[in-house]
Amino acid sequence: EDQVTQSPEALRLQEGESSSLNCSYTVSGLRGLFWYRQDPGKGPEFLFTLYSAGEEKEKERLKATLTKKESFLHITAPKPEDSATYLCAVQEGGGPGGYNKLIFGAGTRLAVHP
Amino acid sequence: DAGITQSPRHKVTETGTPVTLRCHQTENHRYMYWYRQDPGHGLRLIHYSYGVKDTDKGEVSDGYSVSRSKTEDFLLTLESATSSQTSVYFCAISDAQGAKAFFGQGTRLTVV
Repeated sequence: EDQVTQSPEALRLQEGESSSLNCSYTVSGLRGLFWYRQDPGKGPEFLFTLYSAGEEKEKERLKATLTKKESFLHITAPKPEDSATYLCAVQEGGGPGGYNKLIFGAGTRLAVHP
Repeated sequence: DAGITQSPRHKVTETGTPVTLRCHQTENHRYMYWYRQDPGHGLRLIHYSYGVKDTDKGEVSDGYSVSRSKTEDFLLTLESATSSQTSVYFCAISDAQGAKAFFGQGTRLTVV
């Protein structure tokens, strides 16, 4: 069964304390891996798309990497405003209308304290 | 921000009543999706549309139906609401396969 597992479920950091979030997946025919940020009471906001092993993307204090089995979201010197739930999703192909199924993980809740 | 509007934003309804949620987009994107989000679960796809009048089921479609008569509108209907359908519902849009999806602000539905 296709699965996306994120760890840890929750992470508490001090401001400036770097860390990484993990997204491991078991899907056939990966078409892409997406990272989203979700603030309480809001919809997910797109961060990155990765398509092939070895690919990396960066945005401010965030850096996403991809291997054949997992992706990491590295957070360097986080600030309190980075507090949010981070969602990972993998896309596999083959549906009607050319639809590529998107499978989400349950997310990692990140809290960054001053 | 992508132009996606969900309505209503909050709704409380009684078991057995029909409920319709609306998603309206101003981006002219081809693909539209309805997801539900529950604690401990990721976002789970209910139904999606790949064009006007073209829809298909997602992984948790039982008890839900959808319609898309115009590019900009995608309706989700709970024919007879049950307590298990209490959830936060998100609409999303994308313009191409493999492209990033943009999400609406969500509708919090409570079935009592």
